[in-house]
Amino acid sequence: NAGVTQTPKFQVLKTGQSMTLQCAQDMNHNSMYWYRQDPGMGLRLIYYSASEGTTDKGEVPNGYNVSRLNKREFSLRLESAAPSQTSVYFCASRAGGHLYEQYFGPGTRLTVT
Amino acid sequence: AQSVTQLDSQVPVFEEAPVELRCNYSSSVSVYLFWYVQYPNQGLQLLLKYLSGSTLVKGINGFEAEFNKSQTSFHLRKPSVHISDTAEYFCAVRQNNAGNMLTFGGGTRLMVKP
Repeated sequence: NAGVTQTPKFQVLKTGQSMTLQCAQDMNHNSMYWYRQDPGMGLRLIYYSASEGTTDKGEVPNGYNVSRLNKREFSLRLESAAPSQTSVYFCASRAGGHLYEQYFGPGTRLTVT
Repeated sequence: AQSVTQLDSQVPVFEEAPVELRCNYSSSVSVYLFWYVQYPNQGLQLLLKYLSGSTLVKGINGFEAEFNKSQTSFHLRKPSVHISDTAEYFCAVRQNNAGNMLTFGGGTRLMVKP
């Protein structure tokens, strides 16, 4: 039982390049989330998927797209990376119902030059 | 939408001393609150949560937190810290919406010194 896994762990992009961050969970959770973490700002929600087949914007969605490929997988895509997207990205999942705690992956450290 | 404020960005403390990390939330009818810990270069782990019932919540690693509705606070405490408690701690509140999103505070870096 690996929990929430993310790939890659590190990535360096040039401005304008695109990439997809992958996330998978093996806990049969319904909801999945993408956050970015910047110093002093805590975690901010980019997009979430309340259930398979649905996605919604969070607090900071501009410059990102997501795909809920199936119940296990939730990917985050940067179509044209900008230096402002340099951050650590975390994926999380939640079981559903009255279980509100989220379980986090190890993160992807992205640098855009 | 609910919000969370962590009043201290850094808290230095000596080993075996007590510590309190402060968290205040915006008022709402029903509040679900969480504390997470992030060790260096890792993801976040749940320390404890308050959903209802007893206002004193015990978590892992000897931490506890007290829900205080009148002061809209959910402070995290440990009576005696270890070097291994050095980490960043995040308070979070559940948003009462379809996504059940969590809103996080800015984090408090706990630095335990020998």
